[in-house]
Amino acid sequence: QKEVEQDPGPLSVPEGAIVSLNCTYSNSAFQYFMWYRQYSRKGPELLMYTYSSGNKEDGRFTAQVDKSSKYISLFIRDSQPSDSATYLCAMTDTGFQKLVFGTGTRLLVSP
Amino acid sequence: EAGVVQSPRYKIIEKKQPVAFWCNPISGHNTLYWYLQNLGQGPELLIRYENEEAVDDSQLPKDRFSAERLKGVDSTLKIQPAELGDSAVYLCASSPSGSSYEQYFGPGTRLTVT
Repeated sequence: QKEVEQDPGPLSVPEGAIVSLNCTYSNSAFQYFMWYRQYSRKGPELLMYTYSSGNKEDGRFTAQVDKSSKYISLFIRDSQPSDSATYLCAMTDTGFQKLVFGTGTRLLVSP
Repeated sequence: EAGVVQSPRYKIIEKKQPVAFWCNPISGHNTLYWYLQNLGQGPELLIRYENEEAVDDSQLPKDRFSAERLKGVDSTLKIQPAELGDSAVYLCASSPSGSSYEQYFGPGTRLTVT
């Protein structure tokens, strides 16, 4: 079993929809949780990071962490065609030894 | 501010040939990472440098892969000899020291081994 599980999708939604992207993990030592966006043939781009449990909001993006369930989510409000990309979750412990990535979820937002 | 620079962007070689990838991190970032990303997968760490010291190379296949970061800035990743299974995207990332949760990635080098 992988340390981080992520549905590969693709997830197809119409423009303006609310998108929910999720990851589950097994390592209770993880404390930092990141979301990266990766466009085709580009490197991953850091969207947000959160520490421990709770919510964090940045514009149309909201990240949630539920450590009790080992479950993290990224919500995208008012989704736009430009949001079409692969979204990767990543996490690490406080020792910052390495990031463990999910496989990524491919999101397609149609006009 | 310039981001992480990688070259070449694309490389096609025949198996058993050598290949090298170059990375220039964001200025002031002491930590540099090389990742391997296979199609449909997340990046997997190959090696991590703190300045010029390789502090984690446990996932680097040392029989054919090597890396260096002379002077603690630019880095080169080499494969010799390349195998068909090495076809992937090789990503370089950098972060400020002590902030590996805040990594910034380059565009990657897409390697095809024929």
